[in-house]
Amino acid sequence: DGGITQSPKYLFRKEGQNVTLSCEQNLNHDAMYWYRQDPGQGLRLIYYSQIVNDFQKGDIAEGYSVSREKKESFPLTVTSAQKNPTAFYLCASQPDRTDTQYFGPGTRLTVL
Amino acid sequence: EDQVTQSPEALRLQEGESSSLNCSYTVSGLRGLFWYRQDPGKGPEFLFTLYSAGEEKEKERLKATLTKKESFLHITAPKPEDSATYLCAVQAGGYQKVTFGIGTKLQVIP
Repeated sequence: DGGITQSPKYLFRKEGQNVTLSCEQNLNHDAMYWYRQDPGQGLRLIYYSQIVNDFQKGDIAEGYSVSREKKESFPLTVTSAQKNPTAFYLCASQPDRTDTQYFGPGTRLTVL
Repeated sequence: EDQVTQSPEALRLQEGESSSLNCSYTVSGLRGLFWYRQDPGKGPEFLFTLYSAGEEKEKERLKATLTKKESFLHITAPKPEDSATYLCAVQAGGYQKVTFGIGTKLQVIP
């Protein structure tokens, strides 16, 4: 089954802890993205990567870090420096030479 | 700065009552306009990509249209399973970034 998977579905974190959200795709897509969704706001871009070992900051990268060591994987780390980390996090991927992004099921992060 | 405004914020329809959702946009050279459907607690599901004014695309009860300033998502004879939040997004030419609207929450009542 081809698709984009995100894990875990729900994640709880204590203040001061770093957590890593997983995003994997087996669609052979080149580009991958991380967004954050908050109530009453549109999706906001955190980081994106167009090829392996390369990534760029989006609009709200502060307090987040990513890596792209494999084409299939684009994990997002939410660090303790992120002031308001509670949100719904969405990973997306995009086939080469197309403009459409396809989304995973999301991870809901709650900071206790 | 690219902007996307969706209206109304929420829409309640009776089953079978057709209507339209609006997406107004400001972008420097439109590369593509996207419509997604999002169910509560889930990731957005891709519906349509539109590239140029006058373009139309259909899928079941949904039809998306595009002008130079806005896009409409027409819903014909909606069913309760069409209840969801519909997101509009735009991408400017030459840029990877996509700008999303807040969405229209549609509720279809049996």
